[in-house]
Amino acid sequence: DAKTTQPNSMESNEEEPVHLPCNHSTISGTDYIHWYRQLPSQGPEYVIHGLTSNVNNRMASLAIAEDRKSSTLILHRATLRDAAVYYCILRDYNFNKFYFGSGTKLNVKP
Amino acid sequence: GAVVSQHPSRVICKSGTSVKIECRSLDFQATTMFWYRQFPKQSLMLMATSNEGSKATYEQGVEKDKFLINHASLTLSTLTVTSAHPEDSSFYICSARVEAGWKEQYFGPGTRLTVT
Repeated sequence: DAKTTQPNSMESNEEEPVHLPCNHSTISGTDYIHWYRQLPSQGPEYVIHGLTSNVNNRMASLAIAEDRKSSTLILHRATLRDAAVYYCILRDYNFNKFYFGSGTKLNVKP
Repeated sequence: GAVVSQHPSRVICKSGTSVKIECRSLDFQATTMFWYRQFPKQSLMLMATSNEGSKATYEQGVEKDKFLINHASLTLSTLTVTSAHPEDSSFYICSARVEAGWKEQYFGPGTRLTVT
């Protein structure tokens, strides 16, 4: 299973940008990079995904390194509702399974 | 967006009894659903892949006779924890996969199981 490495926790001030890093040095050429977030006692919520190019949506941006061995989730203006555990996941192209890493707990200070 | 529901949201059962958890895709058909388990302050662990009309595929180390999975229709998968013990107390989460396009997974809200 492809593995991801994320910092255990990060802290941000409200209204400031947040950059959440993820290392995936063993990524294969067909693995997609997905980001989900989970609030306490809830199921994970989709944030964004990508393959090679940087991606933007209404929630966040995803910056993927040229060698694809790392990626960064960017929240442009953190709010208190963004406080959650963020998971970076590699999706196997053939089996489409998600193997979750330990994630990054994001704290947002008012 | 696609919605996945789980029932019940919380359940308490006595040791030795069995409990069934339902996972439904409400507005789409899902030929594949997944079951995860999450212990407090830990990440999600994939337990099994549930395929409509066929046997589930279990991850290594997951007891198939203890965690019975049935995927009888395109919108419903069930997980039955048989002869539950306190160590089975956990947060159980299902997800359903959209088969078209890039095969995104949508997660249910989870079921908190407490075995006394």
